[in-house]
Amino acid sequence: DTAVSQTPKYLVTQMGNDKSIKCEQNLGHDTMYWYKQDSKKFLKIMFSYNNKELIINETVPNRFSPKSPDKAHLNLHINSLELGDSAVYFCASSQATGGNYGYTFGSGTRLTVV
Amino acid sequence: AQSVTQPDIHITVSEGASLELRCNYSYGATPYLFWYVQSPGQGLQLLLKYFSGDTLVQGIKGFEAEFKRSQSSFNLRKPSVHWSDAAEYFCAVVPSSNTGKLIFGQGTTLQVKP
Repeated sequence: DTAVSQTPKYLVTQMGNDKSIKCEQNLGHDTMYWYKQDSKKFLKIMFSYNNKELIINETVPNRFSPKSPDKAHLNLHINSLELGDSAVYFCASSQATGGNYGYTFGSGTRLTVV
Repeated sequence: AQSVTQPDIHITVSEGASLELRCNYSYGATPYLFWYVQSPGQGLQLLLKYFSGDTLVQGIKGFEAEFKRSQSSFNLRKPSVHWSDAAEYFCAVVPSSNTGKLIFGQGTTLQVKP
């Protein structure tokens, strides 16, 4: 069983479309995250949820909206996609906030906006 | 400004040679420290982490890292590199006063020559 799974793995879409990326973890962790990896491979946190509550919301365009229906799932919805949204998006989870539990990452979703 | 710095963007070593990847951080207190590896097209795999205690940390795949408080460094080492070690390596920290936000360095690309 994959610990943190993301779907889809690849997503190619046109500018202006709305798309979602799903993430599920089966580790029983309380905290989940979304990270964006840009074309220079730089990784930056976007959001974090702890037990369905938003705890980190970095400076991200309002077109990006995370949703956590339960603590095992954290989805990312993106409205009105732009070329600059092309990136690899990683979901991650940890047992709790605070950092001293380690993080498990999914394999990423490569989003290409054309 | 608070940051994580990996001074070497790209490193090339010969197979069998030793390796050291540098990481420096600039946070007031000792943060939690991590090294991750990303193989091409793959997700992030944790190599090792440091929270407290012994400053020499052993990880997977024969890697180790040494925390040096006086130098604000957490350098990654391997005595003998294998061709399969070619990948992107990321140093990351969770500042101790944080909500669990994992902050990454820019990454170091390791190329291994036969």
